[in-house]
Amino acid sequence: GIQVEQSPPDLILQEGANSTLRCNFSDSVNNLQWFHQNPWGQLINLFYIPSGTKQNGRLSATTVATERYSLLYISSSQTTDSGVYFCAVVREILTGGGNKLTFGTGTQLKVEL
Amino acid sequence: DAGITQSPRHKVTETGTPVTLRCHQTENHRYMYWYRQDPGHGLRLIHYSYGVKDTDKGEVSDGYSVSRSKTEDFLLTLESATSSQTSVYFCAISESAVNTEAFFGQGTRLTVV
Repeated sequence: GIQVEQSPPDLILQEGANSTLRCNFSDSVNNLQWFHQNPWGQLINLFYIPSGTKQNGRLSATTVATERYSLLYISSSQTTDSGVYFCAVVREILTGGGNKLTFGTGTQLKVEL
Repeated sequence: DAGITQSPRHKVTETGTPVTLRCHQTENHRYMYWYRQDPGHGLRLIHYSYGVKDTDKGEVSDGYSVSRSKTEDFLLTLESATSSQTSVYFCAISESAVNTEAFFGQGTRLTVV
């Protein structure tokens, strides 16, 4: 099956710093999503980005599908950005047309004052 | 936020007992999924549904069954709970096939003692 690797695995930032999280995948994909899992365990949708660049406030993401990677940029980080960031890709189309998301191992981010 | 409600949010049960988790959506999405999240494994697909009464297995389906009698409800049943099924369970929904964004419920933390 497809392999999804995220880096770095852990990251500690001072509030106000910028960061870049990377997601590499081993095969072509049909779509790609970025999620933030907050300290309460909730999975929050950040971006649906099979290709190209999108921005939402202090966050932006770029996917270069031909080179099999995606980047998530966090600018001016805040303590509320803490949590785990997951990249998830769809490679396999299920019976009936559903999407199987394959998740990366995540980047654990801690933003300190 | 997508209208997805999981119940219960937390449950402790004994080995060998049956357990049913419920996912309820108000989005009228066709596709529904059950994932489990475990340290070191990320999120993995258990079962999914592509319509009322249409379900199929995911990658970790042993010991689980599902049912979908209405568009809005997707039930996950552990026929005889084991300690290896201690996990956090997430329901997800998506509107259509292939290029579509998935949204997750809040999760259910299940402990089998």
